[in-house]
Amino acid sequence: KAGVTQTPRYLIKTRGQQVTLSCSPISGHRSVSWYQQTPGQGLQFLFEYFSETQRNKGNFPGRFSGRQFSNSRSEMNVSTLELGDSALYLCASRSSNNSPLHFGNGTRLTVT
Amino acid sequence: AQSVTQPDIHITVSEGASLELRCNYSYGATPYLFWYVQSPGQGLQLLLKYFSGDTLVQGIKGFEAEFKRSQSSFNLRKPSVHWSDAAEYFCAVRPGDKLIFGTGTRLQVFP
Repeated sequence: KAGVTQTPRYLIKTRGQQVTLSCSPISGHRSVSWYQQTPGQGLQFLFEYFSETQRNKGNFPGRFSGRQFSNSRSEMNVSTLELGDSALYLCASRSSNNSPLHFGNGTRLTVT
Repeated sequence: AQSVTQPDIHITVSEGASLELRCNYSYGATPYLFWYVQSPGQGLQLLLKYFSGDTLVQGIKGFEAEFKRSQSSFNLRKPSVHWSDAAEYFCAVRPGDKLIFGTGTRLQVFP
């Protein structure tokens, strides 16, 4: 079974631009979560989607948004990029509430 | 508020030596607990999880962890470390739908 797939692996953007990251969960997994990883703040929860509905949201500004499609694939969008948005963005999926999260290899975003 | 503390930022061991990585959590009820490992440039790989039942849980790659409610701890152990175990290790607690991670412990293995 294929794991969680994130595209692209690397992105370089300029301040003020916007970016969209994509995540395909493990087949059969309906829950998708997003995390941001930075050296200073560590791993922080962004949001979780289940059956196309946002179920939970972390403490991030409204510039960070996401959505989930009917096939459970998810996208995350960051608008008006800031230098501090440079990070590894990790997507994870799980099959049920009592299952662990399985992570993808992440998208490395660099904002210049 | 829920939190996870990994007191050791960096640990160095010799190959073949035993290993224990510490993790303490703060949470009112019995949480779901996890250990993940991250190699450079990679995502997080699940090593093991504790939901309930036996407090000693076995994971992949020869790792085990013990849940101690009285100490609010979930320490990760391995009896004999291999050079390929060099990576960063994260303890996490799930009090709801999201994971709260510790700051990680970087493991260095010397031959």
